[in-house]
This record gives sequence, structure tokens and C-alpha cells, in this order.
Amino acid sequence: EAQVTQNPRYLITVTGKKLTVTCSQNMNHEYMSWYRQDPGLGLRQIYYSMNVEVTDKGDVPEGYKVSRKEKRNFPLILESPSPNQTSLYFCASSSTGSLNSPLHFGNGTRLTVT
Amino acid sequence: RKEVEQDPGPFNVPEGATVAFNCTYSNSASQSFFWYRQDCRKEPKLLMSVYSSGNEDGRFTAQLNRASQYISLLIRDSKLSDSATYLCVETGFQKLVFGTGTRLLVSP
Repeated sequence: EAQVTQNPRYLITVTGKKLTVTCSQNMNHEYMSWYRQDPGLGLRQIYYSMNVEVTDKGDVPEGYKVSRKEKRNFPLILESPSPNQTSLYFCASSSTGSLNSPLHFGNGTRLTVT
Repeated sequence: RKEVEQDPGPFNVPEGATVAFNCTYSNSASQSFFWYRQDCRKEPKLLMSVYSSGNEDGRFTAQLNRASQYISLLIRDSKLSDSATYLCVETGFQKLVFGTGTRLLVSP
């Protein structure tokens, strides 16, 4: 089954404790992206990657890191999480970086930082 | 002004009703538009693209009005399963810009 898989689904952590949210897609998509979704603010892009070893900042990259060493994986790293990073996170992929390609989203990671 | 604006709702309608949402956008150079559907606590899923000439997919019709810079989504014969949040998306400034969504509640 074609899908984008994120782990974990739920994560509660404390301020400053490094964490990684994994994202993997099995559709051989070139483009991958991370979003966070907050009430009243909608989906905001954190980072994106047009292909392997190519990553770029989105609208809200501060406090996050990503890597794209393999085509299928695009982990999101929070080196020192803070409470304002409490949010619902989605990974997404599309076949190309074209804005006309539909995005396929993972099922989300709900992160709480205390 | 937000790049994409939607009425958050909720829109409460009975089964079988016709309901329409609008979404306004600020970037007159935007090329592509989409509607995504998001169920509670789940991921967004593409509902339909919006073409300049308008397009229809079963009970759903999407239209684009470039002069007034808005797109619309019309749902006919609403089903209980249509209850969800509908996200408007436009490709402004070479990126996808999501609206905050309009919530639809269809009741028996």
C-alpha cells in the first residue's frame, strides 16, 4: 500500500530533550516536506526537500533540523525542544516538486513539550 | 492580510442540503488551487484541484473567480460522511499556502 509513515503518533517530552520524528514514504517520491498545524494558524511548512541531499527552509524552520540522506526518509529533528513546539506535525510527499502534484500526508505526530 | 482566508465555520447543515464555502486569496499571481479535506485528528487528503473553467466531481463542484480572487467549493446532497474540515490551498509565491479550514457538520 502506498503511504507516508510517521512515527511516533504521540510524543510527550520535556524541554531540552532532543527528539526525532521519523518519516518514510514508499512511493519513490522526490519531494518531501514537514508541516506543523496549530489552531487558527493552519498548516505551516517547516522544511522541505526536493530530492536526496537537498533541503530548504520553509516558513517556520527555527528550532528544527532535517536530513535527506535517502530518498524514502525525511526525519525531523528537534535538538532542544521548547513548549512553543507543542503542535501537530505532518510529513508529506509528492512525486515531484511541482506545485501541481498532490501531496500525500502521513497520519501525523502529536507532540507535547512540557 | 492572510494569504488565504476561510470562514472557520462551523457550517451546520442537515443531510441532503447543499452547502458552499468560499476561500479568498491575496496573491493575484497564484497559478493553482486545491481543496483538501481533513477529518478530525487525521491527515489532510486531496479532495480536488480547482481549474479556471471550474470542475465537478460527483456531488462536489469547485470554481475559481480570478477577478475577485476567490475559489469556492459546492457540495450537493450532503452526507453525514461529508462532515470534516475543508482546507483551501493556493500556490502563492512558489509554495503551497494552506487556509485554516472551514468546518462542516452534517446532521441527520
